[in-house]
Amino acid sequence: RKEVEQDPGPFNVPEGATVAFNCTYSNSASQSFFWYRQDCRKEPKLLMSVYSSGNEDGRFTAQLNRASQYISLLIRDSKLSDSATYLCVVTPRSNFNKFYFGSGTKLNVKP
Amino acid sequence: GAGVSQSPSNKVTEKGKDVELRCDPISGHTALYWYRQSLGQGLEFLIYFQGNSAPDKSGLPSDRFSAERTGGSVSTLTIQRTQQEDSAVYLCASSPPGGGMNTEAFFGQGTRLTVV
Repeated sequence: RKEVEQDPGPFNVPEGATVAFNCTYSNSASQSFFWYRQDCRKEPKLLMSVYSSGNEDGRFTAQLNRASQYISLLIRDSKLSDSATYLCVVTPRSNFNKFYFGSGTKLNVKP
Repeated sequence: GAGVSQSPSNKVTEKGKDVELRCDPISGHTALYWYRQSLGQGLEFLIYFQGNSAPDKSGLPSDRFSAERTGGSVSTLTIQRTQQEDSAVYLCASSPPGGGMNTEAFFGQGTRLTVV
């Protein structure tokens, strides 16, 4: 079983829509959680860390559900520039320098 | 400021040849990672360095793959006797010392390897 699983999508949404992605992780001892963004043929870049209490950064909201072992990313008022692949990342408690990446969820925001 | 630098950006090689991929991490970053990304796939962990030592090399797919890091800085990933299934983008990342829970990994732009 993969450490991190994501729906590959694509999610095709109109501008202004609200869209949410989930990601599940298999190791209950996972410690740190992140969402990275990867544009086509570019390197991944950190979008936001995910904190236990949930956190918001502008139009982006991240939630963690430890009991069900999933994290979510909500994007409100989608922009064309949000089109990208969103990677869920988890690190284990035993080694938070080892990043496990999901295969990503592709988002296409259409005019 | 300088980010993670990888070279070459593209490499086409013949099956059976050896290749070396280079990564220059951000200055002062003690942790360095190599990942592989095949077309349309997620990132596959290969190896992780803390300083010059590799506490976790569990992701190296075969003994044809090796990596070293010298001076706590530059790292080289070597693939011997390349095979077509080695074709992928090889991404290097580094992270700063301190290694706290929410340490961010900064990625280079990758080396696109094509084995023909």
